[in-house]
This record gives sequence, C-alpha cells and structure tokens, in this order.
Amino acid sequence: GNSVTQMEGPVTLSEEAFLTINCTYTATGYPSLFWYVQYPGEGLQLLLKATKADDKGSNKGFEATYRKETTSFHLEKGSVQVSDSAVYFCAIVSGSARQLTFGSGTQLTVLP
Amino acid sequence: NAGVTQTPKFRILKIGQSMTLQCTQDMNHNYMYWYRQDPGMGLKLIYYSVGAGITDKGEVPNGYNVSRSTTEDFPLRLELAAPSQTSVYFCASSQDRGPYGYTFGSGTRLTVV
Repeated sequence: GNSVTQMEGPVTLSEEAFLTINCTYTATGYPSLFWYVQYPGEGLQLLLKATKADDKGSNKGFEATYRKETTSFHLEKGSVQVSDSAVYFCAIVSGSARQLTFGSGTQLTVLP
Repeated sequence: NAGVTQTPKFRILKIGQSMTLQCTQDMNHNYMYWYRQDPGMGLKLIYYSVGAGITDKGEVPNGYNVSRSTTEDFPLRLELAAPSQTSVYFCASSQDRGPYGYTFGSGTRLTVV
C-alpha cells in the first residue's frame, strides 16, 4: 500500500530562518502529491500540490518539487514568519477512490 | 460558500453511549471521507464513499458505521463508544477527477470517558 514518511518534529526556528521539512513516499502508479497545513484548532488546508515529475508546487512562499527519482516532495520556505507556526502534513493520493494517505505531521514553531 | 460542515464541534461521551457525527458538503462532490486524528499522529482513514449509496472501509473502520443516502450528507455513527475512540474526527470531500486535494471540515473533537 501507499505510505508517507515525514521528518520528525517538532521544529523550532527563528523568524526569517530557512525551512525544510522532508517527505518521502512509496506508492504504486503515479500519485499526486500534496502539502496540507493545520493551524491550531482548525481543519486541514491545502497548501500546495504537484501532479507529475519535476512539477513545483508553490503558495505563500512555500515550495515543493515532485522528485520521482528519489520519491520525495520536500517542503521549503526561504524566510519563515511567526504566522507560519502550524502542523504541516505531506500526503499522496492514488487509486480510483482517491484516498489520501498522510504522513504523521511536523509541528513548526517560529519564534520572533 | 460553506464547503464541508461538521457538527458538533465538541462532544463528551460516556463509555457505551452512541452518537452520530454529521457531515454535509455543498460542492456536489461525489467522493467523501472520514478521518480520525490522534495526538501527534497523522490522519487515519475510517470510511469513504464514492457516491450516494456506496461506502467502503478504510484503514481503521472498527467501531464505526456510515451511510450515504444523498450526495450532500455522510454521517459517521459510533456505537458503544470506547476510550480508544477519543480523537478529532475530520470529514472531507473531493472532486471525482483531476489532481485536486480534499476540502476538509473543521473537525469534531470527541472525548470518551
């Protein structure tokens, strides 16, 4: 079956620091890849996505590139802000029922 | 544009009680899902549905039941609640095709005591 492995957290950074959260996956076929963000007390929101090899998803200064050769989809941001503090989930979808498989999530705290 | 609406937001149940978590979407999505999120863990799929009248088990279906009589509604039933069902429950919906992600509800925080 499908699986997603995310970098263990929590991650604590100072404002304006560079962020990388690693994500690798195993899947049959050609999955679509996603990053979701969950702010405290809220549901998950789609942050960015990529659907084929070498696609780069981007949103709100975050980026991730679909690397089929390394089965990875690492999340990056050049300069984090306090407002980026949240839990980030890597996820893949494949199969006829489009079931999302999630990583365990990475808690990010950004200090001023 | 309501999206996916879940009720209630919070609930405390006693062991052995039953309840239904409600989920409604107004986007005409055929695909709907129930996930649970335990502390420090990712989301685990409980049940899903690819259309009215069609449901199937996910990764952790034991102790739960679902029905899908309309496109809009996908309620989750807990029978004989147990402490292991203490969790945050998320409902989501998705378009049938294309590289789209899910739209999630805001969640129901359930505590079984």
